[in-house]
Amino acid sequence: AQTVTQSQPEMSVQEAETVTLSCTYDTSESNYYLFWYKQPPSRQMILVIRQEAYKQQNATENRFSVNFQKAAKSFSLKISDSQLGDTAMYFCAFMRSNFGNEKLTFGTGTRLTIIP
Amino acid sequence: SQTIHQWPATLVQPVGSPLSLECTVEGTSNPNLYWYRQAAGRGLQLLFYSVGIGQISSEVPQNLSASRPQDRQFILSSKKLLLSDSGFYLCAWSPSGYQPQHFGDGTRLSIL
Repeated sequence: AQTVTQSQPEMSVQEAETVTLSCTYDTSESNYYLFWYKQPPSRQMILVIRQEAYKQQNATENRFSVNFQKAAKSFSLKISDSQLGDTAMYFCAFMRSNFGNEKLTFGTGTRLTIIP
Repeated sequence: SQTIHQWPATLVQPVGSPLSLECTVEGTSNPNLYWYRQAAGRGLQLLFYSVGIGQISSEVPQNLSASRPQDRQFILSSKKLLLSDSGFYLCAWSPSGYQPQHFGDGTRLSIL
């Protein structure tokens, strides 16, 4: 079974600074997908970024980027120029590439607070 | 564009009462549908998923059940709620083929 570990329960950073959230996972699969989701106080789950394991290039979405280290099974999220609206719980998630069984396994989350 | 609707947003129920939470998706056909539960301060736990009408897979044995009577409708039910059923319930959908899941706004369920 796959497991996803987020070792930082809480983090805080000053507005406009850069912050990195860590995520490691365990799997015997060679092909899979990784995601970061954001859950603000409104509780809605919002997709932040996606990475396909077969792609060596790290995914980037505006101020959000990942550092995907497949051999180390590490998938960290970097938020640049952090904004107050980035305050949220951040969840790392893993999806097997098994057609008809595309389930997400989530980590326990990191609570990120952006300080004005 | 696709949208997902989930209701009610908040629900307070006594122990032993029945439950029905509904989720519908608009703007797509034959989506994969999911029910998750999030306990306070915890990650998401997958409860049920469905790849088609009448096709339900259960991930966690419990007193909850799910049904998919129509292509874009997913219902979470219980005949008798337990205190341990309290939590935040999220419905999600995705196109088939390893696409990201998109979540509804969730239902906060409190059992008294």
